[in-house]
Amino acid sequence: AQTVTQSQPEMSVQEAETVTLSCTYDTSENNYYLFWYKQPPSRQMILVIRQEAYKQQNATENRFSVNFQKAAKSFSLKISDSQLGDTAMYFCACNNAGNMLTFGGGTRLMVKP
Amino acid sequence: DTGVSQDPRHKITKRGQNVTFRCDPISEHNRLYWYRQTLGQGPEFLTYFQNEAQLEKSRLLSDRFSAERPKGSFSTLEIQRTEQGDSAMYLCASSLAQLAGGTGELFFGEGSRLTVL
Repeated sequence: AQTVTQSQPEMSVQEAETVTLSCTYDTSENNYYLFWYKQPPSRQMILVIRQEAYKQQNATENRFSVNFQKAAKSFSLKISDSQLGDTAMYFCACNNAGNMLTFGGGTRLMVKP
Repeated sequence: DTGVSQDPRHKITKRGQNVTFRCDPISEHNRLYWYRQTLGQGPEFLTYFQNEAQLEKSRLLSDRFSAERPKGSFSTLEIQRTEQGDSAMYLCASSLAQLAGGTGELFFGEGSRLTVL
C-alpha cells in the first residue's frame, strides 16, 4: 500500500515571492512516479510537474521545481515568482505499477497581492 | 480531442434513489479511473479499468456502487440506494498505460458533484 502525506493544510505567500510545499510518501515499488497536481477553485485537476523516481535530477517546469530526496521519501514543490493564478489546492501523488495514483490530503495555497 | 468529459456536472437526489454518472475519456487512452473527493480532501481511488476490464476496486466501493466500461471507451458509475455519506465529487481520469508509452500522468475531468438530501 502507498501513503502520501502533506503536512501543511494551508499556506500563503506574497505575490512574486517563493513558497515551498512539503510532501512525504511511502511505497514498496522500485519504479514509480511522483506528481504535483493543481486544483483551482471549482476547476479540474491539472498536472504541475512529474518526477521519475529513477532519475536523480530534480524536475523543473518554468517557475515550478521539485526537491526529490529518494532516501528520505520526500518530494517538495517550490513555486518561484508566485502569481495570483497559482492560488489553488495542490496535491502530491505517487503512482504504482498499475498507474493508480495515491493522493495526499492537499495544501491550500493562497497568493496574496 | 477536448479531454475527459463527465456528465452530469451536478446531481441532487434524495436518499434512497439511484444515480448514474458517465465519463468519456481521451480517445486514445486505454485506462480509465474513478476517484471520489470530499470537500477539502484529496481524491480517493475507487476503481480502474484497462480497456473493458475492471482491474482493481477499492474497499470504498461498497456493493451499492458499480462501474462499467462495456466497450473500452466510455464508463458509467452507478450508485444504488444513495446515502447522505455518498455526497462528494466523483472524478474520472484517463491515461495511457506505461507499456503503451504512457508516463503515469492521469488526465482528469471536471467531476460530477453529487448531493444527497
